[in-house]
Amino acid sequence: DAGVIQSPRHEVTEMGQEVTLRCKPISGHNSLFWYRQTMMRGLELLIYFNNNVPIDDSGMPEDRFSAKMPNASFSTLKIQPSEPRDSAVYFCASRPEVLGEQYFGPGTRLTVT
Amino acid sequence: AQSVAQPEDQVNVAEGNPLTVKCTYSVSGNPYLFWYVQYPNRGLQFLLKYITGDNLVKGSYGFEAEFNKSQTSFHLKKPSALVSDSALYFCAVRGRDDKIIFGKGTRLHILP
Repeated sequence: DAGVIQSPRHEVTEMGQEVTLRCKPISGHNSLFWYRQTMMRGLELLIYFNNNVPIDDSGMPEDRFSAKMPNASFSTLKIQPSEPRDSAVYFCASRPEVLGEQYFGPGTRLTVT
Repeated sequence: AQSVAQPEDQVNVAEGNPLTVKCTYSVSGNPYLFWYVQYPNRGLQFLLKYITGDNLVKGSYGFEAEFNKSQTSFHLKKPSALVSDSALYFCAVRGRDDKIIFGKGTRLHILP
C-alpha cells in the first residue's frame, strides 16, 4: 500500500485566496483525521470522520475552514479566505479501527503571504 | 477533561545510554495510549500502543513503554540509545469519547 497520500506537498498562496488540501486515506481504513502543526501550538486536531461522517469538528479554527469526505477514499480541507496565520503543516491521518493506531501522510506545508 | 503532558521539551542522552521520555495523562474511562515519532519533514510514525493487558509494551526500533495506572504515566524507554533515535516524540491518549489528544512533543537528542 502507498500509505496516506496528501497533495500538494507544498502550497504558497497570497492572503485572501482559497486553498484546498487533499487526502487519500489507506484503503479499508474507517477513520480519517486532519491535523495542523505549528511551532507555537504544536499538533492540533482539526476534524475527524468515521465512515465518511464528520464526528468532531470542534478543532476547526473558524468558519473559513471546511472539510469534506465525499467517499471513503478522498477528503478535502478548504480554507477560504486564507490568512497568514494559517501558515502551518497540515497532516491527514487514517485509522483502520477504533482502537488502532493512526497512519499519517507526509503533510502539506502551507505558506500564506 | 482529557489531557496529555510531556513535561520535557527536550531530552539529551549520550549514545549507548538508556533513554526515557516522560508522559502523563488524564482521561475518563480506560486509557488507550500511544507513542509516535516524527523525523524532520515527515509525518508521525506509530511506535507502540497500550490498550489492555501487560503493562510493559514493546514497539518498533527497540522502544518500549510502561503503563502505570497509579501514576497515570506511560513513559517511553529504550535500553541503549542510537544517534538515529534523535527525533520528536509524541504521546497520545484516546478517551471514552474517541477524542484523541496529543502531547506537545519532546525533542530527543542523542549525542554521539
